[in-house]
Amino acid sequence: DSGVTQTPKHLITATGQRVTLRCSPRSGDLSVYWYQQSLDQGLQFLIQYYNGEERAKGNILERFSAQQFPDLHSELNLSSLELGDSALYFCASSGPRLAGMETQYFGPGTRLLVL
Amino acid sequence: GDSVTQMEGPVTLSEEAFLTINCTYTATGYPSLFWYVQYPGEGLQLLLKATKADDKGSNKGFEATYRKETTSFHLEKGSVQVSDSAVYFCALSDLNTDKLIFGTGTRLQVFP
Repeated sequence: DSGVTQTPKHLITATGQRVTLRCSPRSGDLSVYWYQQSLDQGLQFLIQYYNGEERAKGNILERFSAQQFPDLHSELNLSSLELGDSALYFCASSGPRLAGMETQYFGPGTRLLVL
Repeated sequence: GDSVTQMEGPVTLSEEAFLTINCTYTATGYPSLFWYVQYPGEGLQLLLKATKADDKGSNKGFEATYRKETTSFHLEKGSVQVSDSAVYFCALSDLNTDKLIFGTGTRLQVFP
């Protein structure tokens, strides 16, 4: 158990809909990362938050957004869903690099299926 | 930009065979390097890491050495077990953003 939790585990929805994925980081970790794992794109970094602020952005679509709340949990919002958004979405958390704690620990993922 | 290249899979081995999964990287500077493992139906688990040149990461019988001269971080295990069957991902940590850049993954299948 990595200490990172994600809900829900599975999500089935229809095209055009909007969903919210939730992540709780390990205790004490300030950084949260979101990744997408799909068969054609592999594992791709989407976005990073550090202590409530957006820190880095990767290949995240404009239809997708995220935020990190004061209690450090994070949510990834996916809207106007398309079939191609079906994937496994992972959240990871880490401590600060300067403290040598940059290793990212992953949650179990949310499997999204868009029909 | 930074990138990671892994050998194509699947790698199919008999139990107790020697395992090598090749990983090379392209990066500016000296990133930290990682191996993650994904068992069927599960998330990513950190297997081992190395943060500087010549560091050797090890865990559960797996080893990998950070080779700056060959920009490589090959994963090895002396004697694999059926329970090692999984997908293995090599990754580097971007120095500017801390995001992980992953290779495509290598599926390992171990048969009794």
